[in-house]
Amino acid sequence: GEDVEQSLFLSVREGDSSVINCTYTDSSSTYLYWYKQEPGAGLQLLTYIFSNMDMKQDQRLTVLLNKKDKHLSLRIADTQTGDSAIYFCAENTDKLIFGTGTRLQVFP
Amino acid sequence: DAGVTQSPTHLIKTRGQQVTLRCSPKSGHDTVSWYQQALGQGPQFIFQYYEEEERQRGNFPDRFSGHQFPNYSSELNVNALLLGDSALYLCASSLGQGLPGELFFGEGSRLTVL
Repeated sequence: GEDVEQSLFLSVREGDSSVINCTYTDSSSTYLYWYKQEPGAGLQLLTYIFSNMDMKQDQRLTVLLNKKDKHLSLRIADTQTGDSAIYFCAENTDKLIFGTGTRLQVFP
Repeated sequence: DAGVTQSPTHLIKTRGQQVTLRCSPKSGHDTVSWYQQALGQGPQFIFQYYEEEERQRGNFPDRFSGHQFPNYSSELNVNALLLGDSALYLCASSLGQGLPGELFFGEGSRLTVL
């Protein structure tokens, strides 16, 4: 079946690292994605990882993929107040399946 | 370079009515996907249009229909509205041969059904 799960909330202090976790069910997914949604805005693609990789780093973002456990994580280094948003992971089979989203709150 | 634009941004309808939402894709994009995002949920795939045809469809009833025009713009129609259709409707465009899942989203049309 198709199901992508995420924890609902994460609260971190400015300057700390944030880690957002996601589990997915479809092992045939070729790509996995992280999208960001700010209030009143559409979703913005942050980064993606191909299923044969286990890590991808892009500036402050690090994506880790454990394909055996179907676990995906997004680490944001030096988290800033501008990073406050809802983060969605998504798996791609024949269509894009989104998780429920994790609301990240960054406090000073 | 205009991104994905959607109209209207907000609208209110009553149960049983019909609604049409519109989307213009990002310049150069030929594929349009529609998503429904209920409050506190992730986007749910409704359908995707390419070359003026519905290419894929999610688990939505036939009350949800769409259309793509020769200029790649698209409409989403919902008939016989139910209270549960209240949601943010997101349009996303992509290039058919591009990276799967590299979708560019509009800001959405927020539909409230009373």
